[in-house]
Amino acid sequence: NAGVTQTPKFRVLKTGQSMTLLCAQDMNHEYMYWYRQDPGMGLRLIHYSVGEGTTAKGEVPDGYNVSRLKKQNFLLGLESAAPSQTSVYFCASSYYTGLAGGTSTDTQYFGPGTRLTVL
Amino acid sequence: AQSVAQPEDQVNVAEGNPLTVKCTYSVSGNPYLFWYVQYPNRGLQFLLKYITGDNLVKGSYGFEAEFNKSQTSFHLKKPSALVSDSALYFCAVRDPYYTGGFKTIFGAGTRLFVKA
Repeated sequence: NAGVTQTPKFRVLKTGQSMTLLCAQDMNHEYMYWYRQDPGMGLRLIHYSVGEGTTAKGEVPDGYNVSRLKKQNFLLGLESAAPSQTSVYFCASSYYTGLAGGTSTDTQYFGPGTRLTVL
Repeated sequence: AQSVAQPEDQVNVAEGNPLTVKCTYSVSGNPYLFWYVQYPNRGLQFLLKYITGDNLVKGSYGFEAEFNKSQTSFHLKKPSALVSDSALYFCAVRDPYYTGGFKTIFGAGTRLFVKA
């Protein structure tokens, strides 16, 4: 059981280049998330997915796109990288542990992170 | 609007002494509260959560946290700190009545340094 894995671990891009970050989980979780972590700002949600074939915007979605074609995978794409996207990116997943009314009490499981530098 | 604050950037404590990492929150109703820990070059790991029930929540590695509704706080505590507890700690809050989509807010993090 590998949990949540992320590929690649490190990447350096030039401004304007594109790339895709891959997240995979083997826990059969319904929910998956992409966060970015910047010094002094905690984690900010970029996009998330509540199931295969669905995605939704988080707090800071601009400049990113996502896809969830398979339940176990969640891809984060940067079409035209900018220096402001230099960050550490974390993927996470969770069960939907809903209470009555559908609210999730989810505990999130995080991947090891991808350190991206945009020059 | 919901928010979470970790007022201390860093907490220093000697090994064997009790530790407290502070967290305060603001949500419109009864919150869901979480603590996560991040070791160097690793992702966040879940420590504990408060959903409902007993205000004192026990979690992994001997940590516990107390939900205080009147003070809107959820401080993380451990009776006796270990050097291996040195890490970055994140408090997170979720408003269960928020209808605008998924939204768990993370604090900025508090770095815990335990000195031998």
